[in-house]
Amino acid sequence: NAGVTQTPKFQVLKTGQSMTLQCAQDMNHEYMSWYRQDPGMGLRLIHYSVGAGITDQGEVPNGYNVSRSTTEDFPLRLLSAAPSQTSVYFCASSYSGRGLNEQYFGPGTRLTVT
Amino acid sequence: GQQVMQIPQYQHVQEGEDFTTYCNSSTTLSNIQWYKQRPGGHPVFLIQLVKSGEVKKQKRLTFQFGEAKKNSSLHITATQTTDVGTYFCACGAAGNKLTFGGGTRVLVKP
Repeated sequence: NAGVTQTPKFQVLKTGQSMTLQCAQDMNHEYMSWYRQDPGMGLRLIHYSVGAGITDQGEVPNGYNVSRSTTEDFPLRLLSAAPSQTSVYFCASSYSGRGLNEQYFGPGTRLTVT
Repeated sequence: GQQVMQIPQYQHVQEGEDFTTYCNSSTTLSNIQWYKQRPGGHPVFLIQLVKSGEVKKQKRLTFQFGEAKKNSSLHITATQTTDVGTYFCACGAAGNKLTFGGGTRVLVKP
C-alpha cells in the first residue's frame, strides 16, 4: 500500500492564483481531512470528510474548497491564493470505526505564496 | 470547540536524561492521541488513551491520561537522539476531527 499520497511536494504561487492540492489514499478509509501547519505551530483543521459526497468545515476553512467524489481522493482547492496561505498542508485519513481512530498523514505539500 | 495546551513549547534534553511533556484541557476529554513529527516530516501516530487514569508504555515512552480526563502526559526515559522531533497531543470529536495542541519541540544534546 502507498498509504496517503500528496502532490505536489512543493509549490510557489503568486497572489491571486488558484491551484488544487491533490490527496489520495489506498486504504479504503472513509474519513479524510486537510490540515495546515504554520512554522512552529500545531496543525489546524481546514476541511474534513466522513465519506464520498460528504464534506464539512474545520477550524480554518476560509479561502479553501474541497470535494469528495470518490473514497480515494480528497483534493483541496485554493481559490485565490494569499500570502497568509503560505504553509505546509497535510492530508490525513482514518478508519470510520467506533470511537476515535489513528490518523495516517501524507508527506505534506509545502506552499509559498508571494 | 475543545482546546488543548501543551507545555513546555521547547524541551532541551541531555542525551540519557528523562523528561516529561504535558497536555492540558479546561474541559473533560473523551480521548487523547499523541503524535510525533520528525523535523521536515509528517505526524506519525504514537498512542491513544481513552480511560480515566490509563497508562500505556511503548519501550522508553510512557503515556498517561489524567483521572479527571483533563490532562495527559508523555514521559521519555533515557532520551536518545532518535527522540528528536515535535510531540503533539490531539483530542478528537465525531468524524475523527482532531484538535491539536501546539506541540513540544524536543532537542537532544549529545
